[in-house]
Amino acid sequence: RKEVEQDPGPFNVPEGATVAFNCTYSNSASQSFFWYRQDCRKEPKLLMSVYSSGNEDGRFTAQLNRASQYISLLIRDSKLSDSATYLCVVNGDSWGKLQFGAGTQVVVTP
Amino acid sequence: EPEVTQTPSHQVTQMGQEVILRCVPISNHLYFYWYRQILGQKVEFLVSFYNNEISEKSEIFDDQFSVERPDGSNFTLKIRSTKLEDSAMYFCASSGRASSMETQYFGPGTRLLVL
Repeated sequence: RKEVEQDPGPFNVPEGATVAFNCTYSNSASQSFFWYRQDCRKEPKLLMSVYSSGNEDGRFTAQLNRASQYISLLIRDSKLSDSATYLCVVNGDSWGKLQFGAGTQVVVTP
Repeated sequence: EPEVTQTPSHQVTQMGQEVILRCVPISNHLYFYWYRQILGQKVEFLVSFYNNEISEKSEIFDDQFSVERPDGSNFTLKIRSTKLEDSAMYFCASSGRASSMETQYFGPGTRLLVL
């Protein structure tokens, strides 16, 4: 089983619509969860950390379900600039070792 | 806003040659990392480094790889004898604290092509 699994997409989303996708992780001892964004051939950039109670940052909402070991990201009122690959990231066996999913591609269309 | 920088942005080398990839972490950060991403694949952890020592390394980080902090600002990754399968984007990252919640900030990467 892969350590972090994501639906690769692409999710084709009309501008202004809402899109949501999940990620599952295998290590029940993981403590930290993040969503990073990666544009084509660029570095990963932190979008948001994911907290146990769920959290929101503007149009982005992240949820964590420890019992089922999944994380979700919801994007409201999608913008063209939201087109990117969204990486689900979990800390691994130790604090510094991040484990990345393969990413979910989102394409926002006019 | 402080950022991690990396040089060169692109490196082409012949199989068997040594390469050194350079990174300048964010100035007040103490924890440094290297990751790689083979084209079309996920980002993979290589090594973490703190206090002039390797904290953790993955199975990818074999004897052909080494890291060094030669001075107060640079952090380098050396591949002694490159293989074709070392072709990838190499990302350096840094963080300020040893905490699982601490954000790691990534540099723009060095694209390495081994011929």
